[in-house]
Amino acid sequence: KAGVTQTPRYLIKTRGQQVTLSCSPISGHRSVSWYQQTPGQGLQFLFEYFSETQRNKGNFPGRFSGRQFSNSRSEMNVSTLELGDSALYLCASSGSSGGNIQYFGAGTRLSVL
Amino acid sequence: GENVEQHPSTLSVQEGDSAVIKCTYSDSASNYFPWYKQELGKRPQLIIDIRSNVGEKKDQRIAVTLNKTAKHFSLHITETQPEDSAVYFCAARSNSGYALNFGKGTSLLVTP
Repeated sequence: KAGVTQTPRYLIKTRGQQVTLSCSPISGHRSVSWYQQTPGQGLQFLFEYFSETQRNKGNFPGRFSGRQFSNSRSEMNVSTLELGDSALYLCASSGSSGGNIQYFGAGTRLSVL
Repeated sequence: GENVEQHPSTLSVQEGDSAVIKCTYSDSASNYFPWYKQELGKRPQLIIDIRSNVGEKKDQRIAVTLNKTAKHFSLHITETQPEDSAVYFCAARSNSGYALNFGKGTSLLVTP
């Protein structure tokens, strides 16, 4: 069974641009959660999607948004990038077959210059 | 929302010694508490988890204890080995979904 796949693995953007990250969950998993990981703040929850609906949301500004498609793949968008958005963005998928466990992808490393 | 505090932020032990990492949570509705290990440059991986109806769980050299009254839980690693060196994150789940609130991590170094 393939694991959680995130693309691209690395991104370099400049301030003010926007970016879209993609996450393909484990087959059969309907939940995708997104996290931002930075050295000082650890893993911070962004949002969770389940069956194409946002189910939970963390404390991030509206520049961070996401969506989920009917095949459970999810995208995360960040508009008007700021230097502080530089981070590793991780997604995790979960499903009833996995017993509540969140399985993480390898992440997308975003650098904002 | 849920707030998870984790201590210590760094921990250095000699090979063979035990390591203990402690976490507290704020939401009494939290019912699931996993621990993740993240090696340098790799994704977080679940090493052990515990549900709120259980007080302790063991898996070989790793154990987790939960005190619901005090709202804290701990990770215990016995007979540490150099390959245990990594960053460990505790987390708690209090909402209706699968999303987790994480502590800020503990960097564990096991020296030979």
